[in-house]
Amino acid sequence: EPEVTQTPSHQVTQMGQEVILRCVPISNHLYFYWYRQILGQKVEFLVSFYNNEISEKSEIFDDQFSVERPDGSNFTLKIRSTKLEDSAMYFCASSGTGHYGYTFGSGTRLTVV
Amino acid sequence: EDKVVQSPLSLVVHEGDTVTLNCSYEVTNFRSLLWYKQEKKAPTFLFMLTSSGIEKKSGRLSSILDKKELFSILNITATQTGDSAVYLCAVSAGGFKTIFGAGTRLFVKA
Repeated sequence: EPEVTQTPSHQVTQMGQEVILRCVPISNHLYFYWYRQILGQKVEFLVSFYNNEISEKSEIFDDQFSVERPDGSNFTLKIRSTKLEDSAMYFCASSGTGHYGYTFGSGTRLTVV
Repeated sequence: EDKVVQSPLSLVVHEGDTVTLNCSYEVTNFRSLLWYKQEKKAPTFLFMLTSSGIEKKSGRLSSILDKKELFSILNITATQTGDSAVYLCAVSAGGFKTIFGAGTRLFVKA
């Protein structure tokens, strides 16, 4: 069964450093998303991406964050100058249509120390 | 503000019991309601509901949506220990984002 692949599975970084989280969505999907889940809290929407541009973003997704689809397969989330409160599980997801069930990746656990 | 509220927050049952999980929502431009099961890491898709009154069924799991009263239920019959997980309700509403509820943590005792 097709799956969304995320790397790394766990990343530890020092406060103030930049991190790039990587995702390979399902190959024929057109819509891509990043979500995050702080330990013990809700899954929160960060950003959606379609047709090589951001289609929607939440209040969380400020200038510290950026997304890119550098080639035909990868979809990345860059977090500049990480803060302690950025520690969370970051999920990438993709879908074939924009508004219905996603397939989630297994997540990257980001720990900022 | 769009919101999705799930109840109960947690539930402990014995194997063989039937459980009902609730999800209510208030969103603009409702498109669909989704149920996910989250065990250790990523949520896995269970159901997508777009129309009122039409039950979706998969094995021992079933779900139905009421768009007039703005809620959905997820039923699990003859529960097994493998059903232990957090069950997430999410609503796709206007634009491309999906709003998640806090989840119901289900623990099934052997």
